[in-house]
Amino acid sequence: AQSVTQLDSHVSVSEGTPVLLRCNYSSSYSPSLFWYVQHPNKGLQLLLKYTSAATLVKGINGFEAEFKKSETSFHLTKPSAHMSDAAEYFCVVSRDSGNTPLVFGKGTRLSVIA
Amino acid sequence: DTEVTQTPKHLVMGMTNKKSLKCEQHMGHRAMYWYKQKAKKPPELMFVYSYEKLSINESVPSRFSPECPNSSLLNLHLHALQPEDSALYLCASSRLRDQPQHFGDGTRLSIL
Repeated sequence: AQSVTQLDSHVSVSEGTPVLLRCNYSSSYSPSLFWYVQHPNKGLQLLLKYTSAATLVKGINGFEAEFKKSETSFHLTKPSAHMSDAAEYFCVVSRDSGNTPLVFGKGTRLSVIA
Repeated sequence: DTEVTQTPKHLVMGMTNKKSLKCEQHMGHRAMYWYKQKAKKPPELMFVYSYEKLSINESVPSRFSPECPNSSLLNLHLHALQPEDSALYLCASSRLRDQPQHFGDGTRLSIL
């Protein structure tokens, strides 16, 4: 069965400093992995996805994530945080091979301090 | 702007009322989803439609009744809800069932 663990419930960074949001996964199959962001009172927006094509995945708004099979990790990074990055971030794994339902991590709240 | 449109944005209803939530997408997606999200929690899957047919019902109480009248529309009919049903209800769609999902901004539902 698939599962995902977000290692930090809350991360706080200063504006202009790097962002690291950590995610470990467990999967019986070659997984599809996603990062979604949710701003207050909004739906979820897809930041990036990994589907086995390349281990370093570039997403929107300067975010990227690296798939490391040996460490079962899919951490999200950004070189320089912006105030508008403050939001809730979800690491997500597909439930089964070829089956849609997504398994969400519990989320990491990112705060950006001016 | 989101490509998945949900109406209404806010809904307050009594426990005896009947209301419906509406979701619309015009991206040609053939899979559509309903999620429930409580505050400070991840979304919980409720229903999945694939090619307008219900393919997954995650043991949701019968007071929630989904309907997919065509490939662009998804409704969630509500009847006799309980206070614990107050939440943000999110609709999502994807090109096919195993593709990344696009979410609407949700309907915030409050049950009095």
